[in-house]
This record gives sequence, structure tokens and C-alpha cells, in this order.
Amino acid sequence: ETGVTQSPTHLIKTRGQQVTLRCSSQSGHNTVSWYQQALGQGPQFIFQYYREEENGRGNFPPRFSGLQFPNYSSELNVNALELDDSALYLCASSLDGGPTDTQYFGPGTRLTVL
Amino acid sequence: AQRVTQPEKLLSVFKGAPVELKCNYSYSGSPELFWYVQYSRQRLQLLLRHISRESIKGFTADLNKGETSFHLKKPFAQEEDSAMYYCALEGAQKLVFGQGTRLTINP
Repeated sequence: ETGVTQSPTHLIKTRGQQVTLRCSSQSGHNTVSWYQQALGQGPQFIFQYYREEENGRGNFPPRFSGLQFPNYSSELNVNALELDDSALYLCASSLDGGPTDTQYFGPGTRLTVL
Repeated sequence: AQRVTQPEKLLSVFKGAPVELKCNYSYSGSPELFWYVQYSRQRLQLLLRHISRESIKGFTADLNKGETSFHLKKPFAQEEDSAMYYCALEGAQKLVFGQGTRLTINP
């Protein structure tokens, strides 16, 4: 069983640019969730995808978007980057996203916006 | 609105002493509550969930709906318990985390 992986590990962008972060879920996991973790804070839910459809969204603007692919990979896209987008971005996969499911987290991508 | 509050950012105890990490929540429905842990240089992982009523690594947590709390307890702390602990609530298809408590066990 392979774990959840994320790429890249670190990324530096400038304000106004666009970024794509990638996540590879555990095989067989139909649900992927994305979180933003600012320094000194707990992870904050961005959105969840189940079988390639968005299945829930937190309080993030539309410039945060995502995709999930049939091969258990997914992307988080952020347009028009702002300084406050600097954070650790985590993805987590689970079987079906229910409350009894365990979410398995990736190591995160640290994004710095200058 | 869903909210999780961990009032202590830092907690330091001596090895062998009891540990209690506090968590209070706000949720109008019936919550599913979890504790996640992040050890140094490791990824975030599930420690325990209230629905399982299990003890993991000697830790237990009891859901108190009257006090809307889900405190994490361990009777005798060990040095390997030093980590960042997050309380989380699942509701409306999303997981809401508290700010976390950094637990340090002193030898």
C-alpha cells in the first residue's frame, strides 16, 4: 500500500500568478480533500472531491479550484495569487469520505507568494 | 457554524505525569470528533475517533455533549508523545480543525 504523495514539496510564486499543486491518493480511495494550513494554524478545509465531482467546499473564493482524475490523482489550482495564499497545502484521501473513513494525509506542498 | 477550539497552544508536562489536551466544539448537529497527531518530521495522522471508543497509544477521549468537549487524556505521559495535536470535527461533509496544541514531554 503506497501512501499519499504531493508535488512539488516547495514552490515560490509572485502575486498575481497561477499555481497548480498535485496529489496522488492511495489506490482505491475515491475521495480527496484539500486543506490550507497557515503558519501556527490548524488545517482549513478548501474542498472535497468524490469520484471526480466536487462534494463539498469550505469558505474559499472561486479562484481556488480543483480536479480529480480517474487514476487517483488530483490537482488544486489557485489563480491570481495573493500574499495571504502563502501556506502549507495538504491533500488527504479516503475511501468514500464518510465520517467513519480515515483520511490519510500527504506531506504537503509549501507555497510562498512574494 | 462548526468551530473547534483548543485553548492551549503549548502544553508541557513531565514524563510519567498525566496529560490532558482540551478541545471544545460548536456544532448544531451530531458531531463526529477526532484527534489527529503530527510527530516531528512526519505527516498528519489520525490518533483516534470518538465513534470507535478505543484507546490508542494509551490515549483516550470522551465526548461530553453537555459541555461540548472532547478532551484527550493519557494517565502517564511518555517522551514519544511529544507532538502537535489537533482536535477535529466532521460535519456537513467537511473536517474542521482546531488550532492545535504542541505537547512537550520533559524527561
